[in-house]
Amino acid sequence: DGGITQSPKYLFRKEGQNVTLSCEQNLNHDAMYWYRQDPGQGLRLIYYSQIVNDFQKGDIAEGYSVSREKKESFPLTVTSAQKNPTAFYLCASSLSGGASTDTQYFGPGTRLTVL
Amino acid sequence: QKEVEQNSGPLSVPEGAIASLNCTYSDRGSQSFFWYRQYSGKSPELIMFIYSNGDKEDGRFTAQLNKASQYVSLLIRDSQPSDSATYLCAVSRAGFQKLVFGTGTRLLVSP
Repeated sequence: DGGITQSPKYLFRKEGQNVTLSCEQNLNHDAMYWYRQDPGQGLRLIYYSQIVNDFQKGDIAEGYSVSREKKESFPLTVTSAQKNPTAFYLCASSLSGGASTDTQYFGPGTRLTVL
Repeated sequence: QKEVEQNSGPLSVPEGAIASLNCTYSDRGSQSFFWYRQYSGKSPELIMFIYSNGDKEDGRFTAQLNKASQYVSLLIRDSQPSDSATYLCAVSRAGFQKLVFGTGTRLLVSP
């Protein structure tokens, strides 16, 4: 059963804590992405990776970090430097990320709340 | 000016009617256009994509692209209450599939 999994589904963080969101895919996709969605807003790109051991900042990378040690995994760490981390976090993947026709598919998301 | 603009809605249509959702974009270099559906509290799911000017049909859905006027639309025929969701328009440029999303249009289909 191919797809993208994200865990946990809900996450609560105290101020000052770092938390890591998991994203795994078994679609054999090269490219992976992290987005953030706030109520009433569109998705905003945090980080993306086109290949293992390489990733680039998106539009709102401050306060976040990622790693891409395996093709199927792209974890996102929300650091204490992120001032307003409460949001819905979405992971996506696409076949190659090298063409504008490449289609992105989304995981189920993680809802992060700062207490 | 936002890169991708959508009317936030809600757009209300009766069951069985045609729902028309519109999206405009500012970057003339945009090449690929995607429509996603997002139910409340869920992640976006791809409905369809379009690359060329004109119409593209997939079941009850038709995407229309007009690059000269910089707009893309999604028509939903025979709308059903289960179509009630937020519809996100996304646009990408040539070279890399970095999507820019609109804020979405909320569609309500009443029985």
